Amino acid sequence: AQSVAQPEDQVNVAEGNPLTVKCTYSVSGNPYLFWYVQYPNRGLQFLLKYITGDNLVKGSYGFEAEFNKSQTSFHLKKPSALVSDSALYFCAVRDKVGGSSNTGKLIFGQGTTLQVKP
Amino acid sequence: DVKVTQSSRYLVKRTGEKVFLECVQDMDHENMFWYRQDPGLGLRLIYFSYDVKMKEKGDIPEGYSVSREKKERFSLILESASTNQTSMYLCASSAGGTYNEQFFGPGTRLTVL
Repeated sequence: AQSVAQPEDQVNVAEGNPLTVKCTYSVSGNPYLFWYVQYPNRGLQFLLKYITGDNLVKGSYGFEAEFNKSQTSFHLKKPSALVSDSALYFCAVRDKVGGSSNTGKLIFGQGTTLQVKP
Repeated sequence: DVKVTQSSRYLVKRTGEKVFLECVQDMDHENMFWYRQDPGLGLRLIYFSYDVKMKEKGDIPEGYSVSREKKERFSLILESASTNQTSMYLCASSAGGTYNEQFFGPGTRLTVL
């Protein structure tokens, strides 16, 4: 079965420092991977996705993610964290095709809280 | 911009009541989804729909039903609300196709007393 794991419940980083939020996946076939962010009392916002091609994917708000097939990882990164980046981050993988083939069902990780301190 | 709206941000209901949560998207998306979000459990898929009047169960459909009579609207129904259905409910939509991201509404925080 497809699955995704976020091994850290919380990540703390000082403003201006680089940040990494970890994600590992388990899929059969090609992985289609996504990152979302959730600010307090808001819905999820799409940040970026990996479908194929370059292993470094650039997304919104200066975030990027590195796809590593050998380590089955898709870590989210940012070179210089901002206090406003503090939020809940979710990694997701597209579910294996079943039923209708184009539904784009996603399986989400449990989320990682990012705390950026001034 | 894609807009997904949900009928209520906060809702308080009594045990045994029938509860309707409404979701509307304005981008002509084929797919719509209902999730519940609980601390430490991430997002869990309740139901999804890939076309009008079409629906499929997600991972936790028990105690819920859905309705999609029009393409832009997807309703989640709690037939008889219970306290363990107290949660944040998120609606999402996406265009048809394999690679398209989902767009989320702001969520409805439901409390069942």
